[in-house]
Order: sequence, then C-alpha cells, then structure tokens
Amino acid sequence: GESVGLHLPTLSVQEGDNSIINCAYSNSASDYFIWYKQESGKGPQFIIDIRSNMDKRQGQRVTVLLNKTVKHLSLQIAATQPGDSAVYFCAENMGSRGNQFYFGTGTSLTVIP
Amino acid sequence: DARVTQTPRHKVTEMGQEVTMRCQPILGHNTVFWYRQTMMQGLELLAYFRNRAPLDDSGMPKDRFSAEMPDATLATLKIQPSEPRDSAVYFCASVATGGRKTFGSGTRLTVV
Repeated sequence: GESVGLHLPTLSVQEGDNSIINCAYSNSASDYFIWYKQESGKGPQFIIDIRSNMDKRQGQRVTVLLNKTVKHLSLQIAATQPGDSAVYFCAENMGSRGNQFYFGTGTSLTVIP
Repeated sequence: DARVTQTPRHKVTEMGQEVTMRCQPILGHNTVFWYRQTMMQGLELLAYFRNRAPLDDSGMPKDRFSAEMPDATLATLKIQPSEPRDSAVYFCASVATGGRKTFGSGTRLTVV
C-alpha cells in the first residue's frame, strides 16, 4: 500500500545550527509534496511545497529537496530558532487524487537554546 | 489573518454519547476537509466537501460517523455512538480553488 514515512521520529539541534528533516514516500506517481509544521495545540501549518518537476525549492530559511529516484524528500531549516520547535510532516499527493493527501507520522524537532 | 474556527477545543464524553464537532471555514473557501489525528495513525482524511457537496467520505466509518455542511459557513462532524477508540484530535481545514489548505486548531476528543 501507499505510505509516507519519516526516518527519524525526533531530532534535537542547537539554536543556530541547520536542521534536516527527512521523509520517504512510496508512491512513485505522487507529483506534489508539502511540508507542514505543527506546534503544540495547533493545526498543521503550510511551510513549503514542491512539484515533481522540480528537485529543489527555497523559501525563507527553508529549502525542500526532492529526489524522485529514491523517493525521498527533505526539509532543511537554516539557522534553526527556538520557534522552529514543532512536529514536521511531509504530505504527498497524486494529481489524480484531487485533494487527497497522505501524511507521514511526523518528526518532532526540538531546538536547544 | 483569516482562520478556520473549530469548536469545541476539547470534549470529554462517555462511551455511547453523541458528539458533534463544528467548523467554520474561511470565508470564500469552497472546499472543507475533516481529518483525524492520532499518535498511531497520524493524520487521516475522513471526508471532504466542495461547494457543500460531499466528494469523498471513504475514510470515515459510516456506521457511526456523519459529516454535513448545512451552509457555507458551517461544517459538522458527528459521532453516534462514540467509542473510546474515537479518542483523537479532529481537524477541519479549508481551501479555495488553487489556494493553500488552512487547518483549524482542532477538537481534542476523549471518550471514556
């Protein structure tokens, strides 16, 4: 079956360091991916997205890399700040499935001041 | 900032009772989703509506769950009768065509 999974359930980084959160997906037909951030007691919040015709996309302090060959997605956060502490999810979508996204179980990022 | 509003934020109920969760999507958003989040399963899509019409509810247990949109400003998710395994955080999200999905803060349901 389809699955979206994360390599590491928890990640701790020092404030100021860069963070890398990884995600593996199994459906080679997926053509759109989103990273979400979820803080305690809140709903997921959009961070950045990428389509399968790209291998890299940059936002403010965040970069998403897509490797379709090995079906791997990563989120890089530059100069990690305490406010970045949260659970991060990747979600995949096949265009043919319309609005149906499959979410991974999440990686908990803790930033150490 | 525009928000998706969910009520109640927390609900504790006894097994067998009816539970109703409400969602006010962002004005102008025509697609509304219901998700359930648990530690074991993560985020699961239960159902979604477009222009108030149900498009997909295949993720929802039909025997006890029901989702409706009485009007464009209100979506409801009902569980009757509730069971302990329904304990989870239920999220509503809305999106306008071509836009980005916005999630509410969720309803944390505990069934004892």
